[in-house]
Order: sequence, then structure tokens, then C-alpha cells
Amino acid sequence: KAGVTQTPRYLIKTRGQQVTLSCSPISGHRSVSWYQQTPGQGLQFLFEYFSETQRNKGNFPGRFSGRQFSNSRSEMNVSTLELGDSALYLCASSPHRTDNYGYTFGSGTRLTVV
Amino acid sequence: AQKVTQAQTEISVVEKEDVTLDCVYETRDTTYYLFWYKQPPSGELVFLIRRNSFDEQNEISGRYSWNFQKSTSSFNFTITASQVVDSAVYFCALSEASNYGQNFVFGPGTRLSVLP
Repeated sequence: KAGVTQTPRYLIKTRGQQVTLSCSPISGHRSVSWYQQTPGQGLQFLFEYFSETQRNKGNFPGRFSGRQFSNSRSEMNVSTLELGDSALYLCASSPHRTDNYGYTFGSGTRLTVV
Repeated sequence: AQKVTQAQTEISVVEKEDVTLDCVYETRDTTYYLFWYKQPPSGELVFLIRRNSFDEQNEISGRYSWNFQKSTSSFNFTITASQVVDSAVYFCALSEASNYGQNFVFGPGTRLSVLP
């Protein structure tokens, strides 16, 4: 079966712009989480969506937002980009909120802010 | 607060050597989950194992084995007879039941290089 699909794979944006990243979970998975990975801070939890509702949020400024659609696909948006937002953004999906066995990650979107 | 420490930043071994990756965690929850993930150069995090706080049984899966010890808050990972394909960054992670197990805290990772 298809895995977690993230688009685009690579993105270059200018400081001050905004960006939208997309994540298509594995079919049947209802929980989608987002993580930011940087060399300095490592992997950090951004937020988690289940049934179109944000259930958990990490410690990130309001410039980072997300949403989940009725088909479980999710998008995250970063407004007013800063150089420090350059990172690999990873999405993960699982069938249920408490089913960690099914927690599968995508290959990520590498965002470069110049 | 939850925290995961992986003291080994980088490890280099020669193929066929055994290698152990250390993981120490902190949590106030009595119910929690521990994970190991592998990140090859492609960037995707590959799930290796999940352990819940009530299951202290060690596990062996092929060349991989895991030693979970609640008394020392450690969840160490051993690769036996390492191979070049094992070269990757390995992350230990913790999630607490109070967060419905969905908010992972990752350790900083250990970069393993297996030389031919």
C-alpha cells in the first residue's frame, strides 16, 4: 500500500513569504502529526490532527498553523518565513490516536528560506 | 517534563562488529511508550520498535535487540554483526499516554557509520 506522501519534496522560499506543505496519510489513517527537523534543535513536534481537529500542539509560534481535511489529508502553513524556518518537515500518520504501531513517517519536505 | 538523551553523537564501527546505541529517558507519566526510529539519507523515519512502560521484556528481531530497563530509565538498542546498510541516524523517542501517545519527544540521534 502507498505510504505517507509529502509534497513538495523540496522548496525554496524568500524570507517574509508564506508556504504551504501537504501531507497525504496512508489510506484509512485518521491521525496526522507534523514535526520539524533542524540540525540545531533536532526533531520537534509541531501539531497533531485527528478527525479534522487539532488535538495537540507543540511549542511553536502562531506563524505555524495546520489543518486537516475530511479525507484526512493535512496541510501545514508557515507565514512570514524566517531564515530559521529552514528545515526538514516530516509528517506522520496512524490509524488511531493511540495506535502507535501504525505511526508511519513520510520522506519529508525540505524547506530552504533565503 | 519529558526528555530523551542519546549521549553518543556519532559511532563508527567496522562491518560485522556489534554496536549498542544508548537511550536514557525522563518522564513523570507511569504510562508511556518508547520507540526507536532509523533515518537513512533519504530522510524518511523508519519505525523499528515500540515498547510500552508495562512491558520490560527484552526483544530480539533478527540482528536487532532492545534492552528496556525501567530501573535506569534506559532503552538501549544493539545491532549484532553490523552491515554497511545499517549506516543511518538512529533516534530514540518517548511519548506519554497523557498526550494520547501522539506527541513524540525525540532524542538528538546517534549517527552510526558502518565501514566495509
